[in-house]
Amino acid sequence: QQQVKQSPQSLIVQKGGISIINCAYENTAFDYFPWYQQFPGKGPALLIAIRPDVSEKKEGRFTISFNKSAKQFSLHIMDSQPGDSATYFCAASSETSGSRLTFGEGTQLTVNP
Amino acid sequence: DAGITQSPRHKVTETGTPVTLRCHQTENHRYMYWYRQDPGHGLRLIHYSYGVKDTDKGEVSDGYSVSRSKTEDFLLTLESATSSQTSVYFCAISGALNEKLFFGSGTQLSVL
Repeated sequence: QQQVKQSPQSLIVQKGGISIINCAYENTAFDYFPWYQQFPGKGPALLIAIRPDVSEKKEGRFTISFNKSAKQFSLHIMDSQPGDSATYFCAASSETSGSRLTFGEGTQLTVNP
Repeated sequence: DAGITQSPRHKVTETGTPVTLRCHQTENHRYMYWYRQDPGHGLRLIHYSYGVKDTDKGEVSDGYSVSRSKTEDFLLTLESATSSQTSVYFCAISGALNEKLFFGSGTQLSVL
């Protein structure tokens, strides 16, 4: 049972463009929503995370937008760069599950020069 | 990778053989996890540990067992490997509930 649905599976963006990756969840108990970035041959690494008490969080060129009523959250990468080319995973967890995260399927982002 | 070492990095084995993957951390983190990564499925939790000798099942635990006899080591065992267990296995650690996870570099396992 996939509790976090991620789209698109793959995304190609030109350098300088905006990359947008979307996730939808089912479990209303989820209260922590991180995004992980993974480069080939490496393990995922935390990129940015949000809790449902805010609707948006920005760190540099990366922004999470959160819509609690729609049970959706998205990652926006502004001024996308070739170095941003990686696989991105959204995830969600709840207090009752501790740090156990439910991951989305992943989005492979390619930023063309 | 935040003081996490996975071994081996690559392994090829035959169906029916036992396999043990090792995760070693130097961060003294309480929580340790084993995930598998497969195309189209993202990362799925196999087992996790919240302390020495305290472990619990994740969403895809069938066919896997774990042990944690020391804070720094978390072992994942496939008692009798099957082709469906061909995957990339990641160990992760975290210091507290809902604290960010640090992942190792992964083990590529092929079961022929």
